[in-house]
Amino acid sequence: AQSVSQHNHHVILSEAASLELGCNYSYGGTVNLFWYVQYPGQHLQLLLKYFSGDPLVKGIKGFEAEFIKSKFSFNLRKPSVQWSDTAEYFCAVNAQGNNRLAFGKGNQVVVIP
Amino acid sequence: DTAVSQTPKYLVTQMGNDKSIKCEQNLGHDTMYWYKQDSKKFLKIMFSYNNKELIINETVPNRFSPKSPDKAHLNLHINSLELGDSAVYFCASSQIAGAVYNEQFFGPGTRLTVL
Repeated sequence: AQSVSQHNHHVILSEAASLELGCNYSYGGTVNLFWYVQYPGQHLQLLLKYFSGDPLVKGIKGFEAEFIKSKFSFNLRKPSVQWSDTAEYFCAVNAQGNNRLAFGKGNQVVVIP
Repeated sequence: DTAVSQTPKYLVTQMGNDKSIKCEQNLGHDTMYWYKQDSKKFLKIMFSYNNKELIINETVPNRFSPKSPDKAHLNLHINSLELGDSAVYFCASSQIAGAVYNEQFFGPGTRLTVL
């Protein structure tokens, strides 16, 4: 079964700083990869996804993620964060042909104005 | 129109009571899920139904019983509620048949507090 690791659970940074959140998964086959965001008190919303093609994926709100197959990684980046990016970020992995979505433990990001 | 809706949004109840949470999706998806999010924000899959058939049943106490009357609805009934059941419960849906990837759409969540 696939599993997902997210490190640095708590991240605090100032507005305009750059953000990078790591995501590593363990599964040897073909995977689909997702980043979800959960704003305070809200439900999970999809930020971006990868299933094939260009490993650099652009998402909403200026986020992007890069799939590096050799490193089993799908790190999320944003060059300049805003206060409104304060949220919990979840990486998720789905092995192709499997309807189970495995979530990481999340990164709590706090952006200080 | 809300794609995945849940009721109620908040549920406060006493230990030992029985309660239900309802979920409906209007996306035409064939698969629905229940997740539990604990106080540390960790998301754990509980159940999944595909076309009314149970396909994922994680290690969950049998006090929890999902029911899917049709593929657009997935309800969760909890018997004899315990303090540890306090959490936010999220419903989600996705299209499995014919899909390239399993993108799940989440409901707004139900915050359950057991006193």
